Amino acid sequence: NAGVMQNPRHLVRRRGQEARLRCSPMKGHSHVYWYRQLPEEGLKFMVYLQKENIIDESGMPKERFSAEFPKEGPSILRIQQVVRGDSAAYFCASSPPNWNTEAFFGQGTRLTVV
Amino acid sequence: AQRVTQPEKLLSVFKGAPVELKCNYSYSGSPELFWYVQYSRQRLQLLLRHISRESIKGFTADLNKGETSFHLKKPFAQEEDSAMYYCAPHTGGFKTIFGAGTRLFVKA
Repeated sequence: NAGVMQNPRHLVRRRGQEARLRCSPMKGHSHVYWYRQLPEEGLKFMVYLQKENIIDESGMPKERFSAEFPKEGPSILRIQQVVRGDSAAYFCASSPPNWNTEAFFGQGTRLTVV
Repeated sequence: AQRVTQPEKLLSVFKGAPVELKCNYSYSGSPELFWYVQYSRQRLQLLLRHISRESIKGFTADLNKGETSFHLKKPFAQEEDSAMYYCAPHTGGFKTIFGAGTRLFVKA
């Protein structure tokens, strides 16, 4: 089991471009979480998804951000029309469908908006 | 509102000294509580969970429901303990909320 895989590891975008961050959960995990870590800050919950469903997106900015976890393929976090303030590390985690299990994290994608 | 507080952003101790990383939570219901650790250039990983009542790398954490605290402790800090530590209550809704994190720096 390769663990949670995120790509790319580093992404540079100009202001106004779109950023697409991918997360492949561990095998057998049906729950995916996205977190954002701003410089010098802790992890902030963004969204929790199960296959084809968004369960909780209370941490997602209302505009420009969207997430999906299709039946086939990785989970995608999409940021449209990026701004400098979107520069951060974005972490994905996955867990199996048991409520009290730990979450396994990917290495993160560091987004830099120039 | 669900909230977790780690009051110290940075904690610096000497090698061999005791260390305590504080965590207070505000939750309805009975959350499952975890401590995660992120060593330099590594991914975030689970350190321990309260339900297991285990000691990992010399660390323990006691859940105090009266004080709603879940402080992480180690009697003798080691240099390799230097890392970022996150307290993380996990609710029945599968959502794990992370504290702001405490950076532990163990000096030689």
